[in-house]
Order: sequence, then C-alpha cells, then structure tokens
Amino acid sequence: DIQMTQFPSSLSASVGDRVTITCRASQDIREDLGWYQQKPGRAPKRLIHAAYVLQSGVPSRFSGRGSGTEFSLTITSLQPEDFATYYCLQYNTYPPTFGQGTKVEIK
Amino acid sequence: QPQLQESGPGLVKPSETLSLTCTVSSDSVNRGSYYWGWVRQPPGKGLEWIGSVYNGGSTSYNPSLKSRVTISVDTSRNQFSLNLSSVTAADTAVYFCARQGSGNWRYYFDYWGQGILVTVSS
Repeated sequence: DIQMTQFPSSLSASVGDRVTITCRASQDIREDLGWYQQKPGRAPKRLIHAAYVLQSGVPSRFSGRGSGTEFSLTITSLQPEDFATYYCLQYNTYPPTFGQGTKVEIK
Repeated sequence: QPQLQESGPGLVKPSETLSLTCTVSSDSVNRGSYYWGWVRQPPGKGLEWIGSVYNGGSTSYNPSLKSRVTISVDTSRNQFSLNLSSVTAADTAVYFCARQGSGNWRYYFDYWGQGILVTVSS
C-alpha cells in the first residue's frame, strides 16, 4: 500500500493566518491527490483534486500544489469556518489511502 | 447531484456480521463505470477505504479487510450493501458510503453519505 504521511497532525492558528499542511507519499502518485475537509459529525467534503484543482464552490483561499511524492494544502487568511480536520487522499494506486489528518484549531 | 444515505443497525455483537445498506438517489448505481464504495472512521481516528462495487456487481476490497468483507449491489432498489463478518470492538466506527469516480478516478470519492455509527459491543 502507498503510505500517506501527513503533517502536522494538529496546529493552532488565528483567524487571518496562513497555514500549510503537507502530505508525503511513499511512492510516486503523479498528481492523483485530493484534499478533504471534515467537521465534527460530518462527512468529508472535497476541496481539491488532481493536486491543485479547486472543487467548484470552494473559496479561492484554499490552494494545493505538488506532484510525485510531496504535496501541500495552503489556506491563506484562515476564516472561522475553516477550523476543521483536513485529510489528503491518494487515488493513484489500489488501495486508495488517506493521510492521518491535520486538525486546525483556533489559537 | 447524487444523494447517498446509509442505514442499518447501530449496535452489533462481537463475532457477528455488520450489515449496512446505502440508498442512492438522483443517480444510478448501474450507471456507466462508476464505483460505489464504503469508507470507515473509528472514533477520533482517520479514514479507511473498505471496498467498492462497480459494473453491476464486480468488487474491489481493501486487502486489510478482504477476508471479512462482502459488498453487493441491488440495482432494482438502487442500493449497495456492506457485510463485514466476525466483527470485534476494533470495527466500531462511523461507516460512510460514497460514490467514486470511474476510470483513473475510480479511487476518488466525490459524493458521500452522512455516515452511520456502528458500535460493536455485547
């Protein structure tokens, strides 16, 4: 299985801050990487696919980059509704695997 | 856009079989080459893909669960189902059903159900 190492596991930030979350794949997954946001008691919500393509309706303060084995999700100017847990997903190779998650908390 | 809804018992005894159903609306489980799958999330932990059904009944399972998992589809009811046998407390989780893409996108999850908590306890 491809291992997705996501870090940090948690971070504290203030409204207006810029935050970056990183996902590292154990082997080359090209750009077959998605990012999801999950709030307590809710299903994951897709934010980005193909490493950097923003899902329709997702604010432009979210952006993704990377290819191969190193990927990142950046949120510029963090908003109150952005406090949640974020997961990466590699869908290049069977079985699909998720990162361990990054919880973004209010400082 | 498709709507997915999980249903089934919220409590299962150890060693028994966990059975859940996902009802799909505004889409068809028999449409094209889309995959329909299950993902679980133990309390406070991350996400794990369980397996998928596609092409009217073909299946793909996570190797870590393959010996205990059966996923099937009922096209007449527009539903697909999960059976997980010989459950233990480690199978306690929120179970999500989800639509996956097709082709190169078959392992990408685009639409999700709300999830159902299943607790394994005597």
